[in-house]
Amino acid sequence: IAGITQAPTSQILAAGRRMTLRCTQDMRHNAMYWYRQDLGLGLRLIHYSNTAGTTGKGEVPDGYSVSRANTDDFPLTLASAVPSQTSVYFCASSESKADTQYFGPGTRLTVL
Amino acid sequence: AQSVTQLDSQVPVFEEAPVELRCNYSSSVSVYLFWYVQYPNQGLQLLLKYLSGSTLVKSINGFEAEFNKSQTSFHLRKPSVHISDTAEYFCAVSNAGGTSYGKLTFGQGTILTVHP
Repeated sequence: IAGITQAPTSQILAAGRRMTLRCTQDMRHNAMYWYRQDLGLGLRLIHYSNTAGTTGKGEVPDGYSVSRANTDDFPLTLASAVPSQTSVYFCASSESKADTQYFGPGTRLTVL
Repeated sequence: AQSVTQLDSQVPVFEEAPVELRCNYSSSVSVYLFWYVQYPNQGLQLLLKYLSGSTLVKSINGFEAEFNKSQTSFHLRKPSVHISDTAEYFCAVSNAGGTSYGKLTFGQGTILTVHP
């Protein structure tokens, strides 16, 4: 069982470009999450989905969008990247809203 | 809204010494509390959690944390650390009900460095 996979592992992106970070889980978890990790700030929730077909905004949603067409996939899209979106992005999933969250290995994104 | 404060950004200790990583939270409702560990260049892994019941919870690798409602704390302790415990540790809280139910709020992280 792979758990959660994220792609790409890392990416350097020019400002203004569109980018989609991919996240796939094979645990059939209902809930999925996207976080960004920045030094000294811990992890901050960007968007979440409690079940396929529904999404919600987290603490820092501006500049990001998500979709949840099925249970397994939860892509995060930056429509027009800006340097302040340079960060490490983690996808996570849990069986239900209050259960333990399992994290992917992360995507390191640099926006120049 | 809930919040988490980890009082130490870095904690250096020698191998086999005891360690305490401090975590305080604030919330207007009942909470669930978590400690996650992040090894270099990896994602986060759950270390232990408090949902209800006994206020002292333990991990399989010797860490323990005690939920103290009156002091709104959930400090992480280990009586004797190993080199392999070197990592960043995150305290997190989620509301046990209400509109924020299930959403994790993380602290800023504490880097534990164990020296030989």
